[in-house]
Amino acid sequence: EVQLVESGGGLVQPGGSLRLSCVASDFTFSHYWMNWVRQAPGKGLEWVANMKQDGSEIYYVDSVKGRFTISRDNTKRSLYLQMNSLRAEDTAVYYCARGDYYGSGGDHWGQGTLVTVSS
Amino acid sequence: QSVLTQPPSVSGAPRQRLAISCSGSTSNIGSNVVNWYQQFPGQAPKLLIHYDDQLPSGVSDRFSGSKSGTSASLAISGLQSEDEAIYYCAVWDDRLKGVVFGGGTKLTVL
Repeated sequence: EVQLVESGGGLVQPGGSLRLSCVASDFTFSHYWMNWVRQAPGKGLEWVANMKQDGSEIYYVDSVKGRFTISRDNTKRSLYLQMNSLRAEDTAVYYCARGDYYGSGGDHWGQGTLVTVSS
Repeated sequence: QSVLTQPPSVSGAPRQRLAISCSGSTSNIGSNVVNWYQQFPGQAPKLLIHYDDQLPSGVSDRFSGSKSGTSASLAISGLQSEDEAIYYCAVWDDRLKGVVFGGGTKLTVL
């Protein structure tokens, strides 16, 4: 069964940084696009970024461009999200999701990790 | 304000059939395939429909998807109490160069 496990969330002050990780198992990680999708408390889903299998294509939502960086290590079956210059509006549960093409928001999702930006 | 428009809520009686709409534009629904997700409180979303109308393995055939022009629809037949959840549509947007989600529709079974 496909498994995605996120970690790295926590409480951070505005302007601070955090690095999220997602470890995949039970599928060939290097064959899939990978996404980060977030959900602010009580709000809907917002796609954040995705990356092609070999890292040659990367896309971001406008609100995080220049502040967040998505990356992956296929040898470690891991996806990352480096988040800098964090703002209160970045507070959300961050989900890692597998995609079978660039436009797929995700066919399998992790359980998420909570990021809280507050002083 | 989401690029994709969904009704905030819908409701129906048990065993009834209902549909949830998702309205977009030529840069998203009009030119790319649509996914639908189901989310229960405190849980991660689950893929319900992909490629406009395809059911992933393990998803009940009471769920079906369709698309026409710049609108998509998720239909649920034989409504059951366990269908109470929030439903989201999602699609790639060629103009924004990213995936966009609808605002979500809360389904209540009366």
